[in-house]
Amino acid sequence: AQTVTQSQPEMSVQEAETVTLSCTYDTSESDYYLFWYKQPPSRQMILVIRQEAYKQQNATENRFSVNFQKAAKSFSLKISDSQLGDAAMYFCAFPNEKLTFGTGTRLTIIP
Amino acid sequence: DAGVIQSPRHEVTEMGQEVTLRCKPISGHNSLFWYRQTMMRGLELLIYFNNNVPIDDSGMPEDRFSAKMPNASFSTLKIQPSEPRDSAVYFCASSHRVIGELFFGEGSRLTVL
Repeated sequence: AQTVTQSQPEMSVQEAETVTLSCTYDTSESDYYLFWYKQPPSRQMILVIRQEAYKQQNATENRFSVNFQKAAKSFSLKISDSQLGDAAMYFCAFPNEKLTFGTGTRLTIIP
Repeated sequence: DAGVIQSPRHEVTEMGQEVTLRCKPISGHNSLFWYRQTMMRGLELLIYFNNNVPIDDSGMPEDRFSAKMPNASFSTLKIQPSEPRDSAVYFCASSHRVIGELFFGEGSRLTVL
């Protein structure tokens, strides 16, 4: 079975600081994508960043970057220079045939 | 592009009533997904379509739930009869392909009294 695990139900970070959200997954496939989605209080799911497993370089989108460790099946999200607007639920997602989501991490930004 | 459009945004109904949720995917996307989100169970995939054909409906809770996609620009999720435990946010999402980035609608919050 393909699963996604987010072990941090809640995280908080001081504004302008850096925070890392963890995600591990399990798969027997060698080529795949991984995603991080953000769900703010408005509840719409928004794609934050994607990683292609065959690429060794970690994906980066402005203040968001990933630390992708394929052998360890780890896919963490780093948010630099945290802003109040980053407060949201963050979901790690593994797009097998059902796009399996983790249980989410609620990120709070402390002013 | 307007994105994935869902209606209604909010629905409050009484147990036993029929509920129909609607979704218009992004034009050109050929895969459509229905998810349910609750505090207890998180995000659950209910059913997905590829080229208007249901591919996997194993996540549909029971026979009270049904989904249709009569054409590439419209899908419905119907619950009949509704029960309080169906209360949740229901998301529709579309994609260029089955395994890829999903674009989500804003969700329909259903409350069954």
